Formats: sequence, C-alpha cells, structure tokens
Amino acid sequence: NAGVTQTPKFRVLKTGQSMTLLCAQDMNHEYMYWYRQDPGMGLRLIHYSVGEGTTAKGEVPDGYNVSRLKKQNFLLGLESAAPSQTSVYFCASSTGSQETQYFGPGTRLLVL
Amino acid sequence: GESVGLHLPTLSVQEGDNSIINCAYSNSASDYFIWYKQESGKGPQFIIDIRSNMDKRQGQRVTVLLNKTVKHLSLQIAATQPGDSAVYFCAENGDSWGKLQFGAGTQVVVTP
Repeated sequence: NAGVTQTPKFRVLKTGQSMTLLCAQDMNHEYMYWYRQDPGMGLRLIHYSVGEGTTAKGEVPDGYNVSRLKKQNFLLGLESAAPSQTSVYFCASSTGSQETQYFGPGTRLLVL
Repeated sequence: GESVGLHLPTLSVQEGDNSIINCAYSNSASDYFIWYKQESGKGPQFIIDIRSNMDKRQGQRVTVLLNKTVKHLSLQIAATQPGDSAVYFCAENGDSWGKLQFGAGTQVVVTP
C-alpha cells in the first residue's frame, strides 16, 4: 500500500492564479482531511470529508474549496491564490472519527 | 476556547538518555489522544495513542501517560537515539467528527 499520497510535492504560484492539490489514499478510509502547517504553528484543519460526496469546513476554510467525488481522492482547490496561502499542506485519512489519522508527505506551496 | 499546548518548545537530550515530552490539554470532553512525530520535510507520523479509559500505554521504546485530573499528557522515549530527533505533536480528538486539535510541537534534539 502506498498509504496517503499527495501531488504535487512543490509548487510556485503567482497571486491570483488557481491550482488544485490532489490527495489519494489506498486504505479504503472514509474520512479525509486537509491541513495547513505554518512555521512555529501546529496543523490547522482547512476542510474535511466524512465520506464520498461529503465535505465540511474546518478551522481555516476561507480561500479554499474541496471535493470528494471518489472515496479515495480528496481535492483541495485554490481559486485565487494569495501570499497568505504560502504554506505546507498535508492531507490525512482515517477509518473513523475516533481513529488514527494517517498523513501524506505534504505539498509545499509558495505564492508570490 | 479549548486548546492543546506543549510546555517546552525545544528539548535537548543526550543520546541514550530518556526523553519526556509534555502536553497540556484543556478540553475536558476529549477522550482520545495521539502523539505524532514529524521529521524535517515529512508528514506527521503516528507514534502512539491513548484513550481516556486508560492512564498508561506502552509501545516500542515509547510510553504515553495520561493524567485526566490535571489534563496532562506525556510521551516518554526510552534510550533516545539520533533518529528520534524530530518535532513531536500531541493532539486531542474530542470532536465526534474526528477533528484533531494539535499543539504547536516540541523540537527534540538528540546530542551525541
């Protein structure tokens, strides 16, 4: 099993550009999550999904959208990137709400 | 609001010694706690977890202690090795939707 994978690994955007980050998991997990991690801070939840076709807002959802069209994939979109969205983005998945979350390797995003 | 926090931002440990990383939590409703290890440039990696009906759990070289009376969690690493150098996060999972709350992390530096 590859576990949780993320693409791309690194991306540079100009302010106003759009992009989509892809997360894929091969563990048949129902729950998937997107976090951002900034220097000196813990992980903050952006959006999450409790099953295929469902999404919900987390702690810092503004400026992001998500979709879960397939159980194994969770997409994070930035419609109009801003420098404040420069961060490392992590995807995670779990079997249930009270179960361990498994993380991907992260995507480093730089918005100029 | 409720929060999860760590007492020490940086912990320097000599190789072979035991490490103790502390974490305070304030959400009395939390009933599941996780420790993650994050090496530079990588995603968080699950180390060990504990549920609120336990006060101690042991893994390979690691022990987690939970003191619900004072809302305190600790991670003990026995015979610390250079490969243990990383940032360690505690997280609580008191939300039924599985939303983790992370602390800012403790940097553990293992010296020879």
